[in-house]
Amino acid sequence: DGGITQSPKYLFRKEGQNVTLSCEQNLNHDAMYWYRQDPGQGLRLIYYSQIVNDFQKGDIAEGYSVSREKKESFPLTVTSAQKNPTAFYLCASSIGQGGTNTEAFFGQGTRLTVV
Amino acid sequence: QQPVQSPQAVILREGEDAVINCSSSKALYSVHWYRQKHGEAPVFLMILLKGGEQKGHDKISASFNEKKQQSSLYLTASQLSYSGTYFCGTYSYGKLTFGQGTILTVHP
Repeated sequence: DGGITQSPKYLFRKEGQNVTLSCEQNLNHDAMYWYRQDPGQGLRLIYYSQIVNDFQKGDIAEGYSVSREKKESFPLTVTSAQKNPTAFYLCASSIGQGGTNTEAFFGQGTRLTVV
Repeated sequence: QQPVQSPQAVILREGEDAVINCSSSKALYSVHWYRQKHGEAPVFLMILLKGGEQKGHDKISASFNEKKQQSSLYLTASQLSYSGTYFCGTYSYGKLTFGQGTILTVHP
């Protein structure tokens, strides 16, 4: 079945460590997105990519990095520079390439906790 | 810039109606609506592509007024299953951004 998979579901990080969240899709979508969700804050865009080997900063990119070396993969690294990394992270994909009339599909999310 | 939703929260009894609004300071070319249950992924409800368009699914419908740069989601005869957080989303140059969400709670 086609879909978008995030792993792990839960992640614990010590302060000062970098961690990488995985996002893989087999929908053949060009566009992929990373969002951060905090209580009462909605979905805030971290990074997005419209095509392989290209990505842009979203609204809250500071302290995060991404790569898009393969069409199906869009990993997010939460660096030690991110002051408050504890949050629920959601990855999404869509057909892209100007596909404003197509829905976005979301992964099940990764809950990151700094200990 | 994120679209703005109102109200932030709604509490209903089963069978009651609700309206959730979404507005943007930028020109809107399409509006997406999603619902998220607690701890789960958002689920797509519908997309509205042009001004004046209205869509519906079961007892959930939406309208889109591109001149006013706003959209509204209508939930009629609400059911317990409608509880969740509703988000509107807008595209701008490949960037998909969402409002802050409206928490809808339906009680028996």
